Amino acid sequence: AQTVTQSQPEMSVQEAETVTLSCTYDTSESNYYLFWYKQPPSRQMILVIRQEAYKQQNATENRFSVNFQKAAKSFSLKISDSQLGDTAMYFCAFMAVSGTYKYIFGTGTRLKVLA
Amino acid sequence: SAVISQKPSRDICQRGTSLTIQCQVDSQVTMMFWYRQQPGQSLTLIATANQGSEATYESGFVIDKFPISRPNLTFSTLTVSNMSPEDSSIYLCSVEVVAGTEAFFGQGTRLTVV
Repeated sequence: AQTVTQSQPEMSVQEAETVTLSCTYDTSESNYYLFWYKQPPSRQMILVIRQEAYKQQNATENRFSVNFQKAAKSFSLKISDSQLGDTAMYFCAFMAVSGTYKYIFGTGTRLKVLA
Repeated sequence: SAVISQKPSRDICQRGTSLTIQCQVDSQVTMMFWYRQQPGQSLTLIATANQGSEATYESGFVIDKFPISRPNLTFSTLTVSNMSPEDSSIYLCSVEVVAGTEAFFGQGTRLTVV
């Protein structure tokens, strides 16, 4: 069975600074997707970034980038130039390509950006 | 992409009653997912709802407690039956237009059972 672990329940960062959220996972699958989702206080979950396991190149989306270490089963999210609007709960998630395409979510990291 | 309308956004219910949550999607999707989320915690998958077949429930969730309907490719309902205070939670529906790309979520239903 797959598991996703986020070891940082809460983090804070000053506006305009950089912060890294950690995520590790465990799986015996060889082909899978990894995601970071953001859930702001409004509750609407939205996708931040996605990584395909067969791609070695780390995904980037504007101020958001990941450090994907497949051998170490690590998938951290770096947020550069943090903005107040980045304040949210961040969930790391795993999906195996084989099977039922179900998400396995981590426990989340609550990020607060300070003015 | 997909836009999901989930209703109601919140409700306060008496124990022993049932509540039906509706999820309407603006496009046709094969699979819809229902999650439960305790405030400040992670999402737990309740079941996967495919059109034209019975929902597939995860361990710890049963059809008698959480009956699901999926009458067409754009709509689904989740009923929380015979509610107790332990059912107080946020319930979310989710879809993927293309599997493995991006999940879209409703705004959630905050349920309080008193």
